[in-house]
Amino acid sequence: NAGVTQTPKFQVLKTGQSMTLQCAQDMNHEYMSWYRQDPGMGLRLIHYSVGAGITDQGEVPNGYNVSRSTTEDFPLRLLSAAPSQTSVYFCASSYRRDRNEKLFFGSGTQLSVL
Amino acid sequence: AQSVTQPDIHITVSEGASLELRCNYSYGATPYLFWYVQSPGQGLQLLLKYFSGDTLVQGIKGFEAEFKRSQSSFNLRKPSVHWSDAAEYFCAVASFTGGGNKLTFGTGTQLKVEL
Repeated sequence: NAGVTQTPKFQVLKTGQSMTLQCAQDMNHEYMSWYRQDPGMGLRLIHYSVGAGITDQGEVPNGYNVSRSTTEDFPLRLLSAAPSQTSVYFCASSYRRDRNEKLFFGSGTQLSVL
Repeated sequence: AQSVTQPDIHITVSEGASLELRCNYSYGATPYLFWYVQSPGQGLQLLLKYFSGDTLVQGIKGFEAEFKRSQSSFNLRKPSVHWSDAAEYFCAVASFTGGGNKLTFGTGTQLKVEL
């Protein structure tokens, strides 16, 4: 199994550009989420989804949109990139049966906004 | 709101020495606690987790952690560190939303291992 796959691995944007970070999982996980990682701040939850058609905001949702049209995919959209969105982004997924479910992380997307 | 504090930003130990990484949490109910490790350029790998029961939990790669409710702590330990343990370590507490674990992470501890 591929697990959680994120593309691209690296991206450079200019301020105001838009882009979509892709996340796909092949484990049939209901729960998917996006985190951003910044130096000295750990990982912070951006958005999450508990199933196809259902999304909700995390701790730092501003400037990001998500949708969940299929179980496998959970793209993160930046509509108008800002330098404050320079970060490393991680997608994570798990089953949603109970608290004991392990969260699987992708390898990350490093985004720079100039 | 839940929170996690990792007071040590950087720690340096000699190979073969023992290791303890500190983690303190704030959570209103019984906490669900995790330790993750991140090697450079990689995603996060789960080392161990605590949900209930025995307060000393064993994880992968020889790591263990002890949950102490009275101190609101969940410190990570390893008796003898290997050079390959050099990485960043994150403690996290989970709130279960009914559909998945939302993790609140600490700011991380960067471990350097001297040969």
